[in-house]
Amino acid sequence: GESVGLHLPTLSVQEGDNSIINCAYSNSASDYFIWYKQESGKGPQFIIDIRSNMDKRQGQRVTVLLNKTVKHLSLQIAATQPGDSAVYFCAETEYGNKLVFGAGTILRVKS
Amino acid sequence: DAGVIQSPRHEVTEMGQEVTLRCKPISGHNSLFWYRQTMMRGLELLIYFNNNVPIDDSGMPEDRFSAKMPNASFSTLKIQPSEPRDSAVYFCASRLTAYGYTFGSGTRLTVV
Repeated sequence: GESVGLHLPTLSVQEGDNSIINCAYSNSASDYFIWYKQESGKGPQFIIDIRSNMDKRQGQRVTVLLNKTVKHLSLQIAATQPGDSAVYFCAETEYGNKLVFGAGTILRVKS
Repeated sequence: DAGVIQSPRHEVTEMGQEVTLRCKPISGHNSLFWYRQTMMRGLELLIYFNNNVPIDDSGMPEDRFSAKMPNASFSTLKIQPSEPRDSAVYFCASRLTAYGYTFGSGTRLTVV
């Protein structure tokens, strides 16, 4: 029979545009959140993190926003480049405990 | 810093055989995690260790899976006997503080 896998949402953006990837997390007690990038054949690579006492954090070309009221996390990538094409995962954890991953979003950058 | 090192990168084995995956965490890191990634279930935590002691193995699928961490620089994940549904990419990650996770490149396991 045909296997059914996770249907990851896909975001297609034009090179140079900004990208916004969203994530809903599940545990209201989570106090630390991480965004990972995973390229084909590689392990998850750290992009940016945020603690629950913050609602925004900026890195190089990336910004993470945290809305604890609705348990929502977003990753903004400025001036998206072809090298940004990958699967992006959000992950949450309660201090010192296990890291739980979301399903992931595929980002495709069109040149 | 060589990062988290996993071996082998690829493993193909026949159903019923024993498979051992290996992980060397980053030196000085005191927690180690084993994850499995499949299309069906995404990234799932199998087990993690703090200071070489297993803390949470609730994600280990069944008794066919076992993990050990005999010292701070080495861990193994063993599947015996292996089954086709164990085919997946297995990742190891380590951390020093509660906030600094680093992942290895993974082992792609195919059980035929």
